[in-house]
Amino acid sequence: DAKTTQPPSMDCAEGRAANLPCNHSTISGNEYVYWYRQIHSQGPQYIIHGLKNNETNEMASLIITEDRKSSTLILPHATLRDTAVYYCIVRARGSNTGNQFYFGTGTSLTVIP
Amino acid sequence: DTAVSQTPKYLVTQMGNDKSIKCEQNLGHDTMYWYKQDSKKFLKIMFSYNNKELIINETVPNRFSPKSPDKAHLNLHINSLELGDSAVYFCASSQELTGGDHFGNGTRLTVT
Repeated sequence: DAKTTQPPSMDCAEGRAANLPCNHSTISGNEYVYWYRQIHSQGPQYIIHGLKNNETNEMASLIITEDRKSSTLILPHATLRDTAVYYCIVRARGSNTGNQFYFGTGTSLTVIP
Repeated sequence: DTAVSQTPKYLVTQMGNDKSIKCEQNLGHDTMYWYKQDSKKFLKIMFSYNNKELIINETVPNRFSPKSPDKAHLNLHINSLELGDSAVYFCASSQELTGGDHFGNGTRLTVT
């Protein structure tokens, strides 16, 4: 079973910020939070990941709460091409990577013109 | 240049057959993966493999076996195909401790 829960769907107006929440209340100390997205019929695309500090890259920002039990992915200026299913997962990195990680059902984001 | 490429894109076969899906990555990553996405769009890892160890998701039937001829390739062999094996299979790679997985565009397997 997935260790994360996300709302099944969200809408966002084009040009506005899209804030996608994720709960991961059972996250372990060595597990990172990863975000991916999947546009219909394509392979998932890595967006961003973090451990406990907030992270930003050219695609998005990741805000992780201090207790690490939840996070928010922020797309600062959503475009129509950002319409996709967004997955939040938790996983450990390193030579003893756990193999039991699932992507869950994700959030289907629709960007509206 | 394609980072992670897998072939074939579509594979239609009959129950009981044995088939293989090939995957190659040109990113120099040290770890490769196979994922399965079922009809309900649940994406689940099947295998994680680097040159040190193979980590198998114990829920994967032993009819599925990964084969890695070298660091840039991880092929998926499936024996005695069953109807329930119909799904989209994604290959991915990553550099451990940095970044996320880079995925191929998937192989849609249909077992009739």
